[in-house]
Amino acid sequence: DSGVTQTPKHLITATGQRVTLRCSPRSGDLSVYWYQQSLDQGLQFLIQYYNGEERAKGNILERFSAQQFPDLHSELNLSSLELGDSALYFCASSPNWGGNNEQFFGPGTRLTVL
Amino acid sequence: GESVGLHLPTLSVQEGDNSIINCAYSNSASDYFIWYKQESGKGPQFIIDIRSNMDKRQGQRVTVLLNKTVKHLSLQIAATQPGDSAVYFCAEKSRNTGFQKLVFGTGTRLLVSP
Repeated sequence: DSGVTQTPKHLITATGQRVTLRCSPRSGDLSVYWYQQSLDQGLQFLIQYYNGEERAKGNILERFSAQQFPDLHSELNLSSLELGDSALYFCASSPNWGGNNEQFFGPGTRLTVL
Repeated sequence: GESVGLHLPTLSVQEGDNSIINCAYSNSASDYFIWYKQESGKGPQFIIDIRSNMDKRQGQRVTVLLNKTVKHLSLQIAATQPGDSAVYFCAEKSRNTGFQKLVFGTGTRLLVSP
């Protein structure tokens, strides 16, 4: 158990809908990262937050957004969902940002868009 | 663009054998490399890391070798056990992204037969 929690574990929804994925980092970690893992794209970095502020952006679609709250939990919002958004979404956390901080991954949320 | 790729998608070994998983990367600015293990239904788990100023690092039953000349990384697992069966990813961070962004390879599935 990495100490990172993600809810829900599974999510099934329809095209065009909007969903919110939630992540609680390890106690004391200030950075939260979001990744998407799909069969054809592998693990792709989406976005990073540090202590409430966006720090780095990867291949995140404009339909997707994230935020980190004062209690350091983070939410990833996916809107206007398409079939291709079906994937595993992982959250990771680390104590700080940048450098060689080890990232601890949560168990993931499996999103299925029908 | 940047890419981190793997030579072998699946590696099958017998219990007790040594396993070698390879990874090639293309970003000459990559400065920090990590190997992750992902078991079915779980998030990636940190195994071992290496900085670019090193060419070898050893952990418990695992060794990572880095050859910056040919941009090649390998993970050696000694006395492979059935519990080592998983997908293994190499990942890299680079100074030109401020070490924020982890770029993952496509993964190698290791199958260990008893």
